[in-house]
Amino acid sequence: DSGVTQTPKHLITATGQRVTLRCSPRSGDLSVYWYQQSLDQGLQFLIQYYNGEERAKGNILERFSAQQFPDLHSELNLSSLELGDSALYFCASSINHNEQFFGPGTRLTVL
Amino acid sequence: GENVEQHPSTLSVQEGDSAVIKCTYSDSASNYFPWYKQELGKRPQLIIDIRSNVGEKKDQRIAVTLNKTAKHFSLHITETQPEDSAVYFCAASRAETSYDKVIFGPGTSLSVIP
Repeated sequence: DSGVTQTPKHLITATGQRVTLRCSPRSGDLSVYWYQQSLDQGLQFLIQYYNGEERAKGNILERFSAQQFPDLHSELNLSSLELGDSALYFCASSINHNEQFFGPGTRLTVL
Repeated sequence: GENVEQHPSTLSVQEGDSAVIKCTYSDSASNYFPWYKQELGKRPQLIIDIRSNVGEKKDQRIAVTLNKTAKHFSLHITETQPEDSAVYFCAASRAETSYDKVIFGPGTSLSVIP
């Protein structure tokens, strides 16, 4: 157990819908990262937050947005969902921009 | 843009043999190079990392080497065991700065045959 929690574990929804994925970092970690991992694919960096502020952005679609709240938990919002958005979404946290601790992931299925 | 290449994409070795995975990065400002192991259906976990001021680091059967000039770094696993079978990801980032975009390689699927 890495100490990073993600909810929900599984999410099944339809095209065009909107979902919110939630991540709670390890206690004391200020940085939160979001990744997308499609079937048999690598880890695509989406976005990073540090102490509530957006710090780095990857190939995150405009339909996707994220935020980090004062209690440091983070949410990833995915809207106008398409079949291709089906993937495993990981959240990770770190204390010092070094080792990242990954959560168990949220598996999103868009039907 | 920043990019990390990783080779090979798949690797099959006999138990007890060595495995080597190589990565190349493009951002010369990268200073932190972690390696993550992801077993089937599980989360990625850090197995070893190296910083730009070090050329080599070893932890039991695992070692990583870094050539900053060539922008290459490699993972070496000796005396491989079946439990080493997993997907391995290399990554590069500018750690300890406010800009911490982590670029992962595409992964290497390692199979250790008993």
